Amino acid sequence: DGGITQSPKYLFRKEGQNVTLSCEQNLNHDAMYWYRQDPGQGLRLIYYSQIVNDFQKGDIAEGYSVSREKKESFPLTVTSAQKNPTAFYLCASSISGLATDTQYFGPGTRLTVL
Amino acid sequence: GDSVTQMEGPVTLSEEAFLTINCTYTATGYPSLFWYVQYPGEGLQLLLKATKADDKGSNKGFEATYRKETTSFHLEKGSVQVSDSAVYFCALTATNTGNQFYFGTGTSLTVIP
Repeated sequence: DGGITQSPKYLFRKEGQNVTLSCEQNLNHDAMYWYRQDPGQGLRLIYYSQIVNDFQKGDIAEGYSVSREKKESFPLTVTSAQKNPTAFYLCASSISGLATDTQYFGPGTRLTVL
Repeated sequence: GDSVTQMEGPVTLSEEAFLTINCTYTATGYPSLFWYVQYPGEGLQLLLKATKADDKGSNKGFEATYRKETTSFHLEKGSVQVSDSAVYFCALTATNTGNQFYFGTGTSLTVIP
């Protein structure tokens, strides 16, 4: 089955630690995205990538970093510089990143900072 | 800048009631409009979309019409079921904003038997 997988489903981190969230897709999509969702709020874009080895900052990129070395993988690192990292993180992909393209979402990773 | 405004929830309806969730948008270009649904603890799933004015998106009994004159994309369903209980997000994307998605804050729907 084609789809997007995110791991782990739940992640706990101590303050001051970096942590990396995994996102893999086997849909052969060119574009991939990372969003953050906080309770009672919509999704906010952290980073996106429309092609391998290229990515752009979204609205809330501070304290996060990404890489896109392979088409199917777009890991997100939450660094210690992110002041309030506890949230639900969603990865998505689309065929080519066009405005009319549907974005397909993974099941999410819930990050809690202890 | 581009944005989406949804009616605030939560919304509670009895089974078989009529559902409307309002969504209006602000966009400088020609946006595509989407409705996504999120079940508890899961990611978002596309419910329906419309890519140009007067288009109607429909899926699983849900409908929404892209109204450019009122800048709206209201979600409707004639008879809701308990299984429709979820959070619904309106979203837009436009070429003049780098194809970035803008999501509304979501509307929580609970359907009671």
